Amino acid sequence: GEKVEQHESTLSVREGDSAVINCTYTDTASSYFPWYKQEAGKSLHFVIDIRSNVDRKQSQRLIVLLDKKAKRFSLHITATQPEDSAIYFCAASMDYNQGKLIFGQGTKLSIKP
Amino acid sequence: GGIITQTPKFLIGQEGQKLTLKCQQNFNHDTMYWYRQDSGKGLRLIYYSITENDLQKGDLSEGYDASREKKSSFSLTVTSAQKNEMAVFLCASSIGGTGGDEQYFGPGTRLTVL
Repeated sequence: GEKVEQHESTLSVREGDSAVINCTYTDTASSYFPWYKQEAGKSLHFVIDIRSNVDRKQSQRLIVLLDKKAKRFSLHITATQPEDSAIYFCAASMDYNQGKLIFGQGTKLSIKP
Repeated sequence: GGIITQTPKFLIGQEGQKLTLKCQQNFNHDTMYWYRQDSGKGLRLIYYSITENDLQKGDLSEGYDASREKKSSFSLTVTSAQKNEMAVFLCASSIGGTGGDEQYFGPGTRLTVL
């Protein structure tokens, strides 16, 4: 079945710098790629997503890139702020009609002052 | 807005015990999910349901039962708790039954098995 690998388990960047989190997936049929954020002691919430009909999407300081050929997608957080510190999970949907998301292992992002 | 409520917040069980976790949502969403979160392993789907009385197995369904009694509630049963098991169980819901819908997560139930 589909597997989603999240390459960085931890990431530390200085406040104001950019952070990049990378994920790869295995199933070429995957068509939907959301990102979720989990702040300390809290549950997950959605931050941004990208669908396979585009290769770039931006929402304020968040940019998602999708490379279907390499089966890779990434989350770029620009001008990082302390409140960006959290665990970020990437996910992929292998079948648009089944509601099943396959999650990566999570990347703990720390923003240093 | 809406909210997802999970009960209990903390659950301590004994090895071999049958344990039930409950989830309620007031979004009026069709689809509900149960995930297990283990440290360093991300989230793994246990069961999901696209409508009342529907059940679909996820990748981790062995050892669990689920029940969608009504649209707003989805319960999960650990059929036989494993000694030293520790995990967080997250309930989520989404508007429709497709993989392209944003999922809204509850606060979680933390399970410890003695």
